[in-house]
Amino acid sequence: QQQVKQSPQSLIVQKGGISIINCAYENTAFDYFPWYQQFPGKGPALLIAIRPDVSEKKEGRFTISFNKSAKQFSLHIMDSQPGDSATYFCAASRGSGGSNYKLTFGKGTLLTVNP
Amino acid sequence: EPEVTQTPSHQVTQMGQEVILRCVPISNHLYFYWYRQILGQKVEFLVSFYNNEISEKSEIFDDQFSVERPDGSNFTLKIRSTKLEDSAMYFCASKGTGSVYGYTFGSGTRLTVV
Repeated sequence: QQQVKQSPQSLIVQKGGISIINCAYENTAFDYFPWYQQFPGKGPALLIAIRPDVSEKKEGRFTISFNKSAKQFSLHIMDSQPGDSATYFCAASRGSGGSNYKLTFGKGTLLTVNP
Repeated sequence: EPEVTQTPSHQVTQMGQEVILRCVPISNHLYFYWYRQILGQKVEFLVSFYNNEISEKSEIFDDQFSVERPDGSNFTLKIRSTKLEDSAMYFCASKGTGSVYGYTFGSGTRLTVV
């Protein structure tokens, strides 16, 4: 019930293309869904996050789409750039009800954007 | 921008030795966490700490692990008798109150047990 499943494991995209990474969760108590970007040797950095009361959130070239009934959410990177090459993790958390807000991560997607 | 600072960045230790990983969370944060990432795998929750006590721990966080906030600024993870399988990147994170946002990770300590 605590799992977050992420796909694909790796993704190669040409510069200017769209990168799409998908996640699915099981625990309906999750109410906060962040995406983290991680460069080699660095800690995960929050990229964008969504709550289940909206179906989409956009910040610049990054968009989260959220489907509550299917318990799925995805990250879309528009106009992908070589500098976007990194590992992307989806995560989920309970953000209310006295939770300690621990994050459950997906397994990660290694994105490579070719110039 | 405020940062979570971790030291050392890399530690090599002999199997069976004790190690202490150190973290300085963001100063006004009240929730503290340790996560670990075995090479090539996902980030896994180890323990959360709030109000000077452990609020939750995972199955990984057995009796060999302990956490401490010895003063107002540091947050430490101790592994009493390291095993080869403890080799991983250990991330400290902290969070402010009232919201799940503002969760900040440090750059990690790479622990290598030989």
